Amino acid sequence: NAGVTQTPKFQVLKTGQSMTLQCAQDMNHEYMSWYRQDPGMGLRLIHYSVGAGITDQGEVPNGYNVSRSTTEDFPLRLLSAAPSQTSVYFCASSYSLAGFEQFFGPGTRLTVL
Amino acid sequence: EDQVTQSPEALRLQEGESSSLNCSYTVSGLRGLFWYRQDPGKGPEFLFTLYSAGEEKEKERLKATLTKKESFLHITAPKPEDSATYLCAVQIAGGTSYGKLTFGQGTILTVHP
Repeated sequence: NAGVTQTPKFQVLKTGQSMTLQCAQDMNHEYMSWYRQDPGMGLRLIHYSVGAGITDQGEVPNGYNVSRSTTEDFPLRLLSAAPSQTSVYFCASSYSLAGFEQFFGPGTRLTVL
Repeated sequence: EDQVTQSPEALRLQEGESSSLNCSYTVSGLRGLFWYRQDPGKGPEFLFTLYSAGEEKEKERLKATLTKKESFLHITAPKPEDSATYLCAVQIAGGTSYGKLTFGQGTILTVHP
């Protein structure tokens, strides 16, 4: 199993550009989520999904969009990048919503100029 | 508000010098407490899940314990390869935060040979 994969590993954007961060998992997990990690702020939840076709907001959802058309994929879209979105983004998945460990991908380091 | 506080922020040990990391939490209802290890430039790697006060789990040189207000990660006779950031996260039972992981800031552990 590849586990949770993310692409790209690094990305530089200009303010106002849009892009999609890709996330895929091959463990048939129902629950997937996106976090951002910033110095001094820890990991914060952006959006999550409890299954194909179902998504919901986390604690910092503004400026981001998600969809879940398949169990395997959970892309994160930046609609109009801002410098405040410079961060490291992690995708995670788990067997179910509650009580199960979440497995994290390797991360995408995004810089917005 | 749910809070997770880790201490110390940074810990420097000599190889073989045992110590403990602390994770204090204030939550409305705990479903689970998770410990992760994160190496520089990588995603968090799952270590342990604890569900109820009094529970303990061990893996090699690491032992995690849980009380009603805090968790400890004990490191026995650490080696340089144990150097990493250790993250604690809690999952809340019920309510609108159901399933979400709330992370602490992490403890940066450095083990010198």
